[in-house]
Amino acid sequence: AQTVTQSQPEMSVQEAETVTLSCTYDTSESDYYLFWYKQPPSRQMILVIRQEAYKQQNATENRFSVNFQKAAKSFSLKISDSQLGDAAMYFCAYRTSQGGSEKLVFGKGTKLTVNP
Amino acid sequence: EADIYQTPRYLVIGTGKKITLECSQTMGHDKMYWYQQDPGMELHLIHYSYGVNSTEKGDLSSESTVSRIRTEHFPLTLESARPSHTSQYLCASSVVGVADTQYFGPGTRLTVL
Repeated sequence: AQTVTQSQPEMSVQEAETVTLSCTYDTSESDYYLFWYKQPPSRQMILVIRQEAYKQQNATENRFSVNFQKAAKSFSLKISDSQLGDAAMYFCAYRTSQGGSEKLVFGKGTKLTVNP
Repeated sequence: EADIYQTPRYLVIGTGKKITLECSQTMGHDKMYWYQQDPGMELHLIHYSYGVNSTEKGDLSSESTVSRIRTEHFPLTLESARPSHTSQYLCASSVVGVADTQYFGPGTRLTVL
């Protein structure tokens, strides 16, 4: 069974600085998808970024980028120019590419605090 | 944010009551999901549906039941609520496509006294 590990329960960053959140996963599959979701306090969980395992190029979305190391099974999220609105729980998630299996496997999350 | 809605947002109820948590989406997504999330913890899939009249149990055993009579509607029911059911319940939906990205509703925070 696949597992997702986020080793940093909490992180903090100064506004305008850069922070990297770690995520590792365990799988025997070669093709899969990885996600970072953001859950602000008492607000909706939203997708931050998505990576297809067959793509070597790291995904980027504005200030958010990932460092995808397939051999190491690592999928870290880098937030550049951190803003107060980035404060949230961040969840790393894995999804198999096999048809018929819709399960997202989540890590336990990292609470990010942004200091002004 | 995606067009997926959950009601109520907060519910405090006594033991033994029957409750239904509502989830609806206006995006025409075929696939819908229910996750359970304890405070500060990861999400666990409890139910999912591929379409109308299709429901499956997820990884986390749950005493709740679901139904999918309409594409846009995926309610979750607890016949007899217990304190152990206290948690946050998140509904999500996805469309067949790249990675079947799931979009989440705002959640229902349930407290059973």
